[in-house]
Amino acid sequence: EAQVTQNPRYLITVTGKKLTVTCSQNMNHEYMSWYRQDPGLGLRQIYYSMNVEVTDKGDVPEGYKVSRKEKRNFPLILESPSPNQTSLYFCASSPHRDSYGGYTFGSGTRLTVV
Amino acid sequence: RKEVEQDPGPFNVPEGATVAFNCTYSNSASQSFFWYRQDCRKEPKLLMSVYSSGNEDGRFTAQLNRASQYISLLIRDSKLSDSATYLCVVKDSNYQLIWGAGTKLIIKP
Repeated sequence: EAQVTQNPRYLITVTGKKLTVTCSQNMNHEYMSWYRQDPGLGLRQIYYSMNVEVTDKGDVPEGYKVSRKEKRNFPLILESPSPNQTSLYFCASSPHRDSYGGYTFGSGTRLTVV
Repeated sequence: RKEVEQDPGPFNVPEGATVAFNCTYSNSASQSFFWYRQDCRKEPKLLMSVYSSGNEDGRFTAQLNRASQYISLLIRDSKLSDSATYLCVVKDSNYQLIWGAGTKLIIKP
């Protein structure tokens, strides 16, 4: 089944403790992206990647890192999480950035930083 | 002004009724338009793309008005299962997706 897999689904952590949210897709998509979703706001892009070893900042990259060493994986790293990073996070992929069709999303990771 | 604006709702609609939402966008150079559906903080799922000439998929009709910079979604014969948040999405000239905050729809029996 074609899908984007995110882990974990839920995570509660403490301020300053490094964490990684994994994202993997099995559709051979070139383009992958991370979003956060907060109440009353549209999804905001954190980072995106157009292909292996090609990553770029989105609208809200502060406090996050990413890597794209393999085509299928695009982990999101929070080196020193803070409470304002409490949010619902989604990973998404599409064949190319300029694909006409929409994105396929992972099931989301609900992160709470205390 | 937000780049993509939607009425947050909720729209409370009886089952079987017709409901329509609009979404306005600020960038006249926007290239592509989509409606996504999101259930109860689950992942967004593509409902339909919006074509310049308008398009229909079963009970759903999407329209684009470039002159006034809005897109619309019409749902006919609404079902209980249509209850969700509908997200308007615009792809700009840099191929970035700009997301509206969503319109919540509640279909009542």
